[in-house]
Amino acid sequence: AQKVTQAQTEISVVEKEDVTLDCVYETRDTTYYLFWYKQPPSGELVFLIRRNSFDEQNEISGRYSWNFQKSTSSFNFTITASQVVDSAVYFCALSAGRDGGFKTIFGAGTRLFVKA
Amino acid sequence: ETGVTQTPRHLVMGMTNKKSLKCEQHLGHNAMYWYKQSAKKPLELMFVYSLEERVENNSVPSRFSPECPNSSHLFLHLHTLQPEDSALYLCASSQDVAANTEAFFGQGTRLTVV
Repeated sequence: AQKVTQAQTEISVVEKEDVTLDCVYETRDTTYYLFWYKQPPSGELVFLIRRNSFDEQNEISGRYSWNFQKSTSSFNFTITASQVVDSAVYFCALSAGRDGGFKTIFGAGTRLFVKA
Repeated sequence: ETGVTQTPRHLVMGMTNKKSLKCEQHLGHNAMYWYKQSAKKPLELMFVYSLEERVENNSVPSRFSPECPNSSHLFLHLHTLQPEDSALYLCASSQDVAANTEAFFGQGTRLTVV
């Protein structure tokens, strides 16, 4: 069975603080893909990043960085110097297997509040 | 135009009403999805269409009926809903149904069943 756990339901930080959103996953497939999406108050989920199971290289994109560790089955997301516009719900997701796109499993999401 | 457009944005309906949600994608994608997002629950995949053919139905009650007339449009027909069906209904599209394909979402329809 596949599972994605985002243990942090809500996080509140003050602007300019760094914040890390945790994601732990479970799968028996050796080939799988992990995603992060952002859901601002407007409602739509916005794709942020995709990582495949064979690429453990960490990635940085501006203030965003992702730490993928297969040894702990984690794919954590860090926002550096947070801004009010980062306030949103963030979802981690897992897809695996043939035609896994329609078996994507989403975590419950972490709501991030960034206060000015 | 935005990539994935959903109408209406908000809908209030009685339990005996019939209504439809509409989704349109302008991205040239081959797969479209309906998701249900309830408070304090993970996103639930309801239906998947690939090249206009339904390929997945996650045991959704028959009071929800999807329709995909072409690769750009997706509908969700609603009838005799229950109050627990109140939720945000999100439409998404992707290039195909491969596991490595990211999805593009609409802003959702906030449905309230009274």
